[in-house]
Formats: sequence, structure tokens, C-alpha cells
Amino acid sequence: ETGVTQSPTHLIKTRGQQVTLRCSSQSGHNTVSWYQQALGQGPQFIFQYYREEENGRGNFPPRFSGLQFPNYSSELNVNALELDDSALYLCASSLAGANSHEQFFGPGTRLTVL
Amino acid sequence: AQRVTQPEKLLSVFKGAPVELKCNYSYSGSPELFWYVQYSRQRLQLLLRHISRESIKGFTADLNKGETSFHLKKPFAQEEDSAMYYCATQGGSEKLVFGKGTKLTVNP
Repeated sequence: ETGVTQSPTHLIKTRGQQVTLRCSSQSGHNTVSWYQQALGQGPQFIFQYYREEENGRGNFPPRFSGLQFPNYSSELNVNALELDDSALYLCASSLAGANSHEQFFGPGTRLTVL
Repeated sequence: AQRVTQPEKLLSVFKGAPVELKCNYSYSGSPELFWYVQYSRQRLQLLLRHISRESIKGFTADLNKGETSFHLKKPFAQEEDSAMYYCATQGGSEKLVFGKGTKLTVNP
């Protein structure tokens, strides 16, 4: 069983740039959720994708967008980067409808915006 | 709106002492509650969930609907329990709402 993987591990961008983060879900999972974790805070829900459709969104502006592919991998795109976007971005996969509701997290991508 | 409060940012105990990490939640329905743990240099992982009522690594957590609490307890802390602990709730949708976390340090 392959766990959740994310790429890149970390990256540095400047204000106004755009970034794409990638996530491969755990084998057998069909749902991917993205979270932002600022320093000293708990993870905050950005959005979730199920069967290639957005299935819920947190309190994040439209410049945060995503995609899910037929193989259930996913991308998080952030446009017009701001300094406050600096954070650890976590991807979590799960199996919709499973009794456990457990989400399996990836190691995260550390984004620094200068 | 769902909200999770973990009042202690840091908690330090000695090995063998009891430990309790506090968690309070606000949710109008019947939420599912979880404790996630992140050990040093490891990814966030599920520790336990209230619906299973199981004990994992000696930890237990009881849902108290009257006090809207889901405190995590262990009678005898071990050094390997040192980690960041996050309480989370999930209601309605699949999204998790996390608290800010408590850093537990178990001293030898």
C-alpha cells in the first residue's frame, strides 16, 4: 500500500507569483483534501475533491484553486501569492463512504513567499 | 460553525505521570471527534476517534456532550509520547476542523 506523497518538499516564491503543489493519494482512495498550516496553528481546510469535482471549500479566496485527476491525484494552485500564504500545505486522502472517515496525510510542502 | 479549542499550547510532564490534553468543541449537531498526533519528523496521523472507543498506545478519550469536551488522557506518560497533538472535529462534510494543537513534552 502506497502512502500519500507530495511534491515538492519545499519551495520559495516571491509575491505575485503563482505556484502549483502536487499530491498523490493513497492507493484505493478517491477523495483528496488540502489544508494550510501556518506556523503555530492547526491545519485549516482549503477544499476537497471527490471524483474530480470540488466537494466543499473552506474560507479561502478564489486564487486558491485545485484539480483532481482520474487517477485521484490532485493539484493545489495559488495565484498572486501573498506573504501570508507562507505555510505548510498538507494533502490528505480518504475513501468516501468508508466508516472510518480517517484521512491519511502526506508529509506536506513548505511554501515560503518572500 | 464548527470550532475546536485546545487551551494549552504547551504541556510538560514527567515520565510515569498522568497526562490530560484538553479539547473543547462547538458544533450544533452530532460531530465526529478525533485526536491526531504528529511525532518529530513524521507526518500527521490519526491517534484515535471517539466512535471506536478504543485505546491506542495507552491513550483514551471520552466524548462529553454536556461539557462539549473530548479530552485525551493517559495514566502513565512515556518519553515516546512527546509530540504535537491536535484535536479535530468532522461534521456533515468530510472536512476536518482542527484545534491549534498542544505540544506535549514528557521529561525523563
